[in-house]
Amino acid sequence: DAKTTQPTSMDCAEGRAANLPCNHSTISGNEYVYWYRQIHSQGPQYIIHGLKNNETNEMASLIITEDRKSSTLILPHATLRDTAVYYCIVRVAAYGQNFVFGPGTRLSVLP
Amino acid sequence: NAGVTQTPKFRILKIGQSMTLQCAQDMNHNYMYWYRQDPGMGLKLIYYSVGAGITDKGEVPNGYNVSRSTTEDFPLRLELAAPSQTSVYFCASRRGQGKVQPQHFGDGTRLSIL
Repeated sequence: DAKTTQPTSMDCAEGRAANLPCNHSTISGNEYVYWYRQIHSQGPQYIIHGLKNNETNEMASLIITEDRKSSTLILPHATLRDTAVYYCIVRVAAYGQNFVFGPGTRLSVLP
Repeated sequence: NAGVTQTPKFRILKIGQSMTLQCAQDMNHNYMYWYRQDPGMGLKLIYYSVGAGITDKGEVPNGYNVSRSTTEDFPLRLELAAPSQTSVYFCASRRGQGKVQPQHFGDGTRLSIL
């Protein structure tokens, strides 16, 4: 019960921006949206999180719609090393308000 | 700063054997988690802890036990290994105070039950 919906897979050309969408229509008003990625079978790596304002850090930008029902993670200049599974996560009421990871989006950056 | 350290990295068990997966963090995080990840799937929460002496079940706790005697350590115990427990196990931690902070993950333990 991931509470988020993401495309199964996406391709992106190297050097171009990768835009990864996520729907979280049932998110509550004070819950953050988190993005992680997992390269091969390594442990998930935190990328960015946000509440309602757009956020940017050294890795990516996060655009959250005004109604907060969806968001987009932007990798501005994708490289081959950005090939990974990207997870959009919100906390759920079950299991002590913990994080639930769905299957994510498999991003392939192509040369 | 080591972050979250998991040992062992790989293990093969026979059906019915038992073992403990170790997890240690050096960030003084209150919250710790155990997840399992089956091939092609997301992570499923097994157990979590909000502090030393406090643990609770996640989505898939059957067949596992945990303890949290210190802030740093959160071992996961498999008592009677079954083939269905073949998976990659990830431990994570996060700071518990204030705004919800992101989780930090270890590199995983790859476990095969034969």
